[in-house]
Amino acid sequence: DIQMTQSPSSLSASVGDRVTITCRASQSISTYLNWYQQKPGKAPKLLIYVASSLQSEVPSRFSGSGSGTDFTLTINSLQPEDFATYYCQQSYSTPRTFGPGTKVDIK
Amino acid sequence: EVQLVESGGGLVQPGGSLRLSCAASGFTFSSYEMNWVRQAPGKGLEWVSYISSSGSPIYYADSVKGRFTISRDNAKNSLFLQMNTLRAEDTALYYCARGYYGNSAYPRFDYWGQGTLVTVSS
Repeated sequence: DIQMTQSPSSLSASVGDRVTITCRASQSISTYLNWYQQKPGKAPKLLIYVASSLQSEVPSRFSGSGSGTDFTLTINSLQPEDFATYYCQQSYSTPRTFGPGTKVDIK
Repeated sequence: EVQLVESGGGLVQPGGSLRLSCAASGFTFSSYEMNWVRQAPGKGLEWVSYISSSGSPIYYADSVKGRFTISRDNAKNSLFLQMNTLRAEDTALYYCARGYYGNSAYPRFDYWGQGTLVTVSS
């Protein structure tokens, strides 16, 4: 099975900050990496697919990069509505494992 | 508008059974793979099971293999998860999620339901 790790597990940031979250796969997954945002009490929401493609209606301040085993989610100019938990997920093979999540909260 | 609505959760004793349903609308259900994903209280997301658009192939996480059965009824736009021999560690919010490929060879989960809570406790 492919294991996914994320760092950091949590971070505190201010509105307007640039935030970077990293995700690492235990083996190469090409670019088959998705990012989701989850707010408390809500279902996850797809942000980025195939590592760098922005899902429809997701603000352009979100971006993704990477290939192989190392990936990055960047949020430029953090907004109040961006405080949430972010998960990466590999869809290269089953089980379609998620990372443990990165919680972004207000500094 | 795409909608996924889960139901069937509840309180069940260890060793018991429960059947979850996911009613789909707003898209051609029979054309999409479907997945179950769960989230234990205060924990992260765990993929549980996958079923192709036609009903085969099917995959399970090791943690539920042999105890859970995924199925679908394309005529009724419905997805199911039969859960047997439930354990305390199966306590979670269970989401159904649509797998979408677009131009990619591999899917993303583009629509999720609101979840149904399963609590396994005596």
